Amino acid sequence: QQQVKQSPQSLIVQKGGISIINCAYENTAFDYFPWYQQFPGKGPALLIAIRPDVSEKKEGRFTISFNKSAKQFSLHIMDSQPGDSATYFCAATVRGNTPLVFGKGTRLSVIA
Amino acid sequence: DTAVSQTPKYLVTQMGNDKSIKCEQNLGHDTMYWYKQDSKKFLKIMFSYNNKELIINETVPNRFSPKSPDKAHLNLHINSLELGDSAVYFCASSHEGLGDTIYFGEGSWLTVV
Repeated sequence: QQQVKQSPQSLIVQKGGISIINCAYENTAFDYFPWYQQFPGKGPALLIAIRPDVSEKKEGRFTISFNKSAKQFSLHIMDSQPGDSATYFCAATVRGNTPLVFGKGTRLSVIA
Repeated sequence: DTAVSQTPKYLVTQMGNDKSIKCEQNLGHDTMYWYKQDSKKFLKIMFSYNNKELIINETVPNRFSPKSPDKAHLNLHINSLELGDSAVYFCASSHEGLGDTIYFGEGSWLTVV
């Protein structure tokens, strides 16, 4: 019930391409879905987040798509750049009630 | 000006030793956490404190003992270190409690030899 399943485990994308990372959850009570970005040697940092009352949220080159009926959400990185190379974690929670539950992470490498 | 700072950043120690990791946040947040990240990058919550009170204690060996002297500090003490304790330990904080946006420190890399 508390799991968040993330795929793929690793991803290699050409510079300028679109990176897509997917997550699925079971707990229908989850009401907040953030994505975190982690560079080597650093702690994870919030990248973008969405609530289930909207189907899409865009911030610059980063977009979250949310499908409530399928219990899935995904991160799209448009015009991927080498500086986007990092590990990305999706997460989910019931705000005010449970701690963030993280997916297992996706290691993204953007090659020139 | 670091928001969540933890020390030491690197720690190499022998099996059986006792060690502590300190954490401080200057964000004025009420809730603090310890997360463990293993070699496969999996992030798992260990403990959470809200205003110095323990609110989450996941299935963690009792060799691990958190202490929160005030709401800006959360330290982690580990007794009788084992090889399997080798990991990166992240301190984190959030403003409004469980489920709120978490701000992580830069991690403490523990290696037990």
